Amino acid sequence: NAGVTQTPKFRVLKTGQSMTLLCAQDMNHEYMYWYRQDPGMGLRLIHYSVGEGTTAKGEVPDGYNVSRLKKQNFLLGLESAAPSQTSVYFCASSYRLGDPPTQLEQYFGPGTRLTVT
Amino acid sequence: SQQGEEDPQALSIQEGENATMNCSYKTSINNLQWYRQNSGRGLVHLILIRSNEREKHSGRLRVTLDTSKKSSSLLITASRAADTASYFCAPNSGYALNFGKGTSLLVTP
Repeated sequence: NAGVTQTPKFRVLKTGQSMTLLCAQDMNHEYMYWYRQDPGMGLRLIHYSVGEGTTAKGEVPDGYNVSRLKKQNFLLGLESAAPSQTSVYFCASSYRLGDPPTQLEQYFGPGTRLTVT
Repeated sequence: SQQGEEDPQALSIQEGENATMNCSYKTSINNLQWYRQNSGRGLVHLILIRSNEREKHSGRLRVTLDTSKKSSSLLITASRAADTASYFCAPNSGYALNFGKGTSLLVTP
């Protein structure tokens, strides 16, 4: 199993450019998440998905869009990149247990380092 | 927000010593999780403690949970240089986890 993979690993964008970050997991997990990590800020949740075709906003959703068309993939889009979006982006996934569902451990990808100039 | 807050922000110890990190949170939880992050890497799950548990062990790790005080602690016994990393707590009460800023642990030989 590859676990959680992220593409690309590094990217430099100019202000106003757009890009899509791809997250893929091969563990058949229901839940997927996008976080950003900035120095001194810890991890902040951008968007998450509790199943194929569903997404929800996290703590810092502005400037980002997401899609979960397939269960194994979760895409994060930046339509018009800004320098404030310079960060390391992490994707994570977890499986569902119980009804109502409770959270089990999250599995993280290696991260994408994005610089917006 | 159910964000955890870790304390201290930074901790420096020598190999063989024990390291204790604390976490506080604000509302009721289903469980609380601890993660480790080595420099430049993604987070790795260490241990999960449910709200009806008071203590849990995993190898050299010991986690306690006091729901009345809304706090948890992570103890790493007999620390090794390889334990150098950032440690995050993540209280959970729903679909998502809200991570704190972490405790940066440095273990020197």
